[in-house]
Amino acid sequence: EVQLLESGGGLAQPGGSLRLSCAASRFTFSSYVMNWVRQAPGKGLEWVSAISGSGEYTYYTDSVKGRFIISRDNSKNTLYLQMDNLRVDDTAVYYCAKATTVAGTFNYWGQGTLVTVSP
Amino acid sequence: QSALTQPASVSGSPGQSITISCTGTSSDVGGYNYVSWYQHHPGKAPKLIIYEVRNRPSGVPDRFSGSKSGNTASLTISGLQAEDEADYYCTSYAGTTTYVVFGGGTKLTVL
Repeated sequence: EVQLLESGGGLAQPGGSLRLSCAASRFTFSSYVMNWVRQAPGKGLEWVSAISGSGEYTYYTDSVKGRFIISRDNSKNTLYLQMDNLRVDDTAVYYCAKATTVAGTFNYWGQGTLVTVSP
Repeated sequence: QSALTQPASVSGSPGQSITISCTGTSSDVGGYNYVSWYQHHPGKAPKLIIYEVRNRPSGVPDRFSGSKSGNTASLTISGLQAEDEADYYCTSYAGTTTYVVFGGGTKLTVL
């Protein structure tokens, strides 16, 4: 069974930085688009970012463009999200999600890691 | 404001059927057959229940079905069970610029 394990969440101040990681196992990591999806407290799910299997192509929701960078290390089967210039409204549980061969179809999800941005 | 519009809540009694709508535009739902639906119990990881409009992953009961007409996709759950009580989200591929859009989510209450 596919496993996705997020880490790196925690408390940050506005303007600060955090780096999330997602360790993947039990599938050919480099073959699939990987994504970050978040859920703010009391809100719905929101797609944040995606990266192609090779890492060549990246995609971001408008609210994080210029502040977040998605990357992957296929030799370590690990997905990353570097979050800079954090804002209070970035507070959320961040999920790592594996896509199928179809963009936007997420067939496996991690358990999530909580990011809290507060003064 | 979410890109795809879902009703905030729906409810039904055990054994009944309910339908959740997901309305987008010709740039997302109407333009691609890449609509997915997810079931999310609070505190747990979301679960894929429908992909590519109407397909069920292995292990998802056939009580769950999906369809699409124009810019609106729908999820129907028949024979409601208590464990179906959860939040449900639709997503759609939206091209290489916007990429993926989510619906705002629908809270299903089983009475």
